[in-house]
Order: sequence, then structure tokens, then C-alpha cells
Amino acid sequence: GAVVSQHPSRVICKSGTSVKIECRSLDFQATTMFWYRQFPKQSLMLMATSNEGSKATYEQGVEKDKFLINHASLTLSTLTVTSAHPEDSSFYICSASKDGRKETQYFGPGTRLLVL
Amino acid sequence: DQQVKQNSPSLSVQEGRISILNCDYTNSMFDYFLWYKKYPAEGPTFLISISSIKDKNEDGRFTVFLNKSAKHLSLHIVPSQPGDSAVYFCAASARGSQGNLIFGKGTKLSVKP
Repeated sequence: GAVVSQHPSRVICKSGTSVKIECRSLDFQATTMFWYRQFPKQSLMLMATSNEGSKATYEQGVEKDKFLINHASLTLSTLTVTSAHPEDSSFYICSASKDGRKETQYFGPGTRLLVL
Repeated sequence: DQQVKQNSPSLSVQEGRISILNCDYTNSMFDYFLWYKKYPAEGPTFLISISSIKDKNEDGRFTVFLNKSAKHLSLHIVPSQPGDSAVYFCAASARGSQGNLIFGKGTKLSVKP
């Protein structure tokens, strides 16, 4: 299957700082990338969908000014958590889609964010 | 309000026996269902899917059954192998394969040798 990487795998930061998470499709071009968040003992929740070269579409309740998404190329999307607070501590997972089909949506390994 | 529910957080099965993972949903607009498998430190990987026009889909040792009237689906793994030990997520989508995925919380399957 296709490979999606995320960097960093875990990050600890102080409250008020910004954190950038990268998501890369290593062996395919992704027309669409998705960002999910998973709190402990909860489901994966979609935060936003991004298409290369256009603005991301955010799900209801997700602040677009707090979670900045950039999808500058067909192999890279970044999520920046701005002015992070302890309640932003979570597991963030990206996925990349070759053709929009769910069967060809490949997930990254996730990034564990802890905000102190 | 959880639209996709996996009520069993964990399941333990003996190697060679059948594993049955269950999933319930509440939204009647869901018309496409998928199962994902997740190993520690890795992202979920697609396992098998089923459209609402079918009630069964089989792929090797994995079979997914869909009961639309009960809004219930299940994943059967037979025979179970130790390498199947992982967290299994059920996910649902409206608008077929193009809709956004709504995930359950997952069930951790342990297959004992």
C-alpha cells in the first residue's frame, strides 16, 4: 500500500506557542488530504479537508484561525496549531487520498501533541 | 452524540477461532461502511468495505455483514491469527465512497496462540 508519513511523531510544547505538523505522501500524489483529531478513548474526528492549491474546508466547530492548514503541493500538507493550549493536547492523524475514494485513503501514523 | 458505535472496547479470541467485531450506527443516511485495522504506532489501514446495496462482502478471511434494518454491521475474521491482534475501527459515510468518514471508537482484538 501507499505510505503516508507524519512529522514529528510526538511533540511537547508550552502553552501559547505554535506547533507545525507535517503530513507527506511518500510514493503517490495526493489530490486531497484530511486532518483528524483523536482524544483519549474517543473516535477519530475529522477536522478539515484540504485540496492542493486551495483553501481547506473545516468541519463545524473547528476554528480555522487556530488550526491553519496548508496544502502547498500534491505530497505535503501541514497543520499548524497556533497559540496552543492544554485542551489542544490530542492525537492528530492525517490521511491522503489518491483519487477521493475511501479505499485509497492512506493514513499517517499520527502525531501526539502535549501542551503544558 | 455518537453516530457510529463500537460497544466492545476489547475482544479476546483463541487462535483458529472466529473473531466477530460489531458496529452499530444511528444515521440512516449512511450508505457506505468500512473497517480499518490499526497496529500500535501506525495509522489505520483499510481492510474491507461494504455498500448499503449489499448485505455481505467477503475478502479472504474477512467478511463484513450489513443489517440495514438493525443499523448494524459486523466483521468476521476466520480463522483468527495472532497477527490479527490490533485495534479495529468501523467507519461510515454518507454519499457513498466520496463522503467524509465517521469513525467508531475502535475495538482492540487480541488473538491468543
